[in-house]
Amino acid sequence: GENVEQHPSTLSVQEGDSAVIKCTYSDSASNYFPWYKQELGKRPQLIIDIRSNVGEKKDQRIAVTLNKTAKHFSLHITETQPEDSAVYFCAALPGGGTSYGKLTFGQGTILTVHP
Amino acid sequence: GAGVSQSPRYKVAKRGQDVALRCDPISGHVSLFWYQQALGQGPEFLTYFQNEAQLDKSGLPSDRFFAERPEGSVSTLKIQRTQQEDSAVYLCASSLGGLGGEQYFGPGTRLTVT
Repeated sequence: GENVEQHPSTLSVQEGDSAVIKCTYSDSASNYFPWYKQELGKRPQLIIDIRSNVGEKKDQRIAVTLNKTAKHFSLHITETQPEDSAVYFCAALPGGGTSYGKLTFGQGTILTVHP
Repeated sequence: GAGVSQSPRYKVAKRGQDVALRCDPISGHVSLFWYQQALGQGPEFLTYFQNEAQLDKSGLPSDRFFAERPEGSVSTLKIQRTQQEDSAVYLCASSLGGLGGEQYFGPGTRLTVT
């Protein structure tokens, strides 16, 4: 099955700096890669996703890049703000067969943005 | 509805008790997923429904775990004879289509087994 590794486990930045979180996956058939933000005690919220037919996607201060050859993808947050502080999870979705929508999540990154 | 809802939000059970956790997906969503999230970890897949059919239950930890979605909308996750290791947040998610696509999560049920 799919295995997703996420680094770093914790990330501390100053307000206005950029933050980068990286994930690697093992199943070359995976074709959908969402990123979720989870605040303490709250539900995971989708913040951006990318499919395997594109290499980069951007939405305001958030961008995701995908390298299919190396099987890794990254989340980039620019101009960080204190409200960006949360746990961020990457995930991968295998492309077919009997995997259906079974997302495999990374272990999470605790992002702290200091004012 | 506005989103995926789950009830109860918190559940404390004594070891050996049975519990039932409910999920109301977004209306019209075909796919429904259950995940288990241990403290400080990412969600882990438990089971998947497409309408009323349970197509994948490979993530259920043991035969004490049972899920159903009899009418293709509301789903219930039942845990029999709860054990301390069952303590976790149980998340439900739904998505519009039958394969892949964006999954919308509910707020979760925090189960504590004492």
